[in-house]
Amino acid sequence: GAGVSQSPSNKVTEKGKDVELRCDPISGHTALYWYRQSLGQGLEFLIYFQGNSAPDKSGLPSDRFSAERTGGSVSTLTIQRTQQEDSAVYLCASSENNSPLHFGNGTRLTVT
Amino acid sequence: GNSVTQMEGPVTLSEEAFLTINCTYTATGYPSLFWYVQYPGEGLQLLLKATKADDKGSNKGFEATYRKETTSFHLEKGSVQVSDSAVYFCALSEVPGGKLIFGQGTELSVKP
Repeated sequence: GAGVSQSPSNKVTEKGKDVELRCDPISGHTALYWYRQSLGQGLEFLIYFQGNSAPDKSGLPSDRFSAERTGGSVSTLTIQRTQQEDSAVYLCASSENNSPLHFGNGTRLTVT
Repeated sequence: GNSVTQMEGPVTLSEEAFLTINCTYTATGYPSLFWYVQYPGEGLQLLLKATKADDKGSNKGFEATYRKETTSFHLEKGSVQVSDSAVYFCALSEVPGGKLIFGQGTELSVKP
């Protein structure tokens, strides 16, 4: 079946602009996670959704970062006023019924 | 808090050599333990898992045993292939299907 889909696969933006990253989880998966992968920082947890609510937002690095999920499915991660240190690969994962996380291929964000 | 520490890379081996990538963890309770693999240009994939002490996870010739007494989950393979070249991540979750906490990743390069 279809896996976790993320779009765009690559995004180049100018410093100060806002960006939106999209994640389509595996159908029926109620849990959705966002992670950030950057050189020297490994994989950092950002936020976790169960359904449409986010019980754990502890990894969001600043108030420029926000995320929402609608219909228990698609999620968008928004970064406002992007900075160069936001450059990274943003990964989305989903799971259901205590199964292991399934990851998408990520969005590579480059802030110039 | 919970954390995962894995040996630093890069690790360079010749084909058919024995592989060990060390992973130790710090956690309260009884976490589930995972190894994920990221092949060049691809997303993270679950390689194997173990959910309780003394469990052995195995897949594609790789094995790891959940050792509670040493808080370790070392990854081993008896004979590596060039196609095993990838970055390997050790991870834990406090609850099944829950948020993953990752180690820094270990890059493996296998030469013919």
